[in-house]
Amino acid sequence: AAGVIQSPRHLIKEKRETATLKCYPIPRHDTVYWYQQGPGQDPQFLISFYEKMQSDKGSIPDRFSAQQFSDYHSELNMSSLELGDSALYFCASSLGGASGGNEQFFGPGTRLTVL
Amino acid sequence: AQKITQTQPGMFVQEKEAVTLDCTYDTSDPSYGLFWYKQPSSGEMIFLIYQGSYDQQNATEGRYSLNFQKARKSANLVISASQLGDSAMYFCAMREGSYAGGTSYGKLTFGQGTILTVHP
Repeated sequence: AAGVIQSPRHLIKEKRETATLKCYPIPRHDTVYWYQQGPGQDPQFLISFYEKMQSDKGSIPDRFSAQQFSDYHSELNMSSLELGDSALYFCASSLGGASGGNEQFFGPGTRLTVL
Repeated sequence: AQKITQTQPGMFVQEKEAVTLDCTYDTSDPSYGLFWYKQPSSGEMIFLIYQGSYDQQNATEGRYSLNFQKARKSANLVISASQLGDSAMYFCAMREGSYAGGTSYGKLTFGQGTILTVHP
């Protein structure tokens, strides 16, 4: 079965650089979530999109922005990277709306290292 | 206050034995969902089992079952017949609210995790 695809899987950046993480949800899933997991931490919710509109926002820095496109893939844009942004970034997808949403499947994650 | 609490930082179990990983939650929302995920050392987050707040029966998925005690606000994961490959970090997570007026609220709040080690 198709799973959530994230690219790249690993990314190394310098401080103050920018990064773009991509997420391709499971086919027909209309809801995408982004989470950040620091070393030894539990995942923290950043932002979510439902039907291409932002549906919820968590502890996402102003330096980060995200969007969901017409094909439902999503991109997380990170600017002015800081050392503390080094983390594993997960994208998850689910079937939202009134018809579903009981399962939330995670992608393999993008491991971002900021030097 | 913590919404999801996992009080066991680490657990050890002998291969083929059963193990229970504890999870308590805090919410005033009548509609919520509880999830368990497994995170091996490779880092991926693997969905294990889901329990809805209105579900009358405890959820089961193969060797995984969820001991849901609503009045006590606990959702413990039971792994039967442990295998060496079960060694991993296990996260309990909660989704509050649900679909409402055209918007899907589904963000998960995670507990601190429990590292399970299965001994041969």
